[in-house]
Amino acid sequence: DIQLTQSPSSLSVSVGDRVTITCQATQDISKYLNWYQQKPGRAPKLLIYDASNLETGVPSRFSGSGSGTNFIFTISSLQPEDLGTYYCQQYDDLPTFTFGPGTKVDLK
Amino acid sequence: QVQLQESGPGLVKPSETLSLTCTVSGASINIWHWGWIRQSPGKELEWIGNIYDSGKTNFNPSLKSRASISVDKSKNQFSLKLSSVTAADTAVYYCASLRFLGWFDPWGQGTLVTVSS
Repeated sequence: DIQLTQSPSSLSVSVGDRVTITCQATQDISKYLNWYQQKPGRAPKLLIYDASNLETGVPSRFSGSGSGTNFIFTISSLQPEDLGTYYCQQYDDLPTFTFGPGTKVDLK
Repeated sequence: QVQLQESGPGLVKPSETLSLTCTVSGASINIWHWGWIRQSPGKELEWIGNIYDSGKTNFNPSLKSRASISVDKSKNQFSLKLSSVTAADTAVYYCASLRFLGWFDPWGQGTLVTVSS
C-alpha cells in the first residue's frame, strides 16, 4: 500500500506569506497526486489535480509541483480565506485511494 | 452544476448497519463515477469505496468487506451500507463525484453518523 506523509503537520502564518506544504509518497506515484482544501465544518474542495493542474475557478496563487515521490503545494501570498487544512491524495495505486494526514494552516 | 447531498440516520447502534444515501442533481448517475469518503472527528480523510459507471465497486481493504455501494438509477441516487459498525465508525460521511478516475469533485456537505447505544 502507498502511504502519504505531509509536512509540516501545522503552520502559523501571516496574511501575505508564502506557504509551502510537502507531500511524500512511499513509492513512485508519477503525477497522480491531488490537493484539497478543507475549511472548518466544510467539505474538502479540489484545488490541484495531477500534481500541477489548477482546477477551474481556483485562484492562481495556488500551485503544485512534483512527480514520483515528492510533491510541493504552494500558496504564493496567503489570503485570510485560505485558512484551513490541506490534504494530498494519491490515485496511482488503483483501485485504492489514499489521503495524506493533512496540514493545518492558521494565523499567527 | 453537479450537486450532491447525503442523507440518513445520524445515530446507529453498535453491531447494526449504517445506511446512507447520496442524491445527485445536475448529472446522470448512470454515466459518472461516485465515491464515499469519511472523516472521524478531528482526523484525516479516509476513502471508503467507489462505484463506477459500469456498476463495478471497489473498497478500502481496511473495511474488511463490511462496505457495499449501490445505485438507484430511478432516483439518481447512490447508497452506502456499512455493516457491523462500532464506535470507530463514528465519522462525517461524504459522498463525492470521482472525476477521470482520479480525484473527488464535487463533494456533498457531509453527514455526521454517530455509533452509540
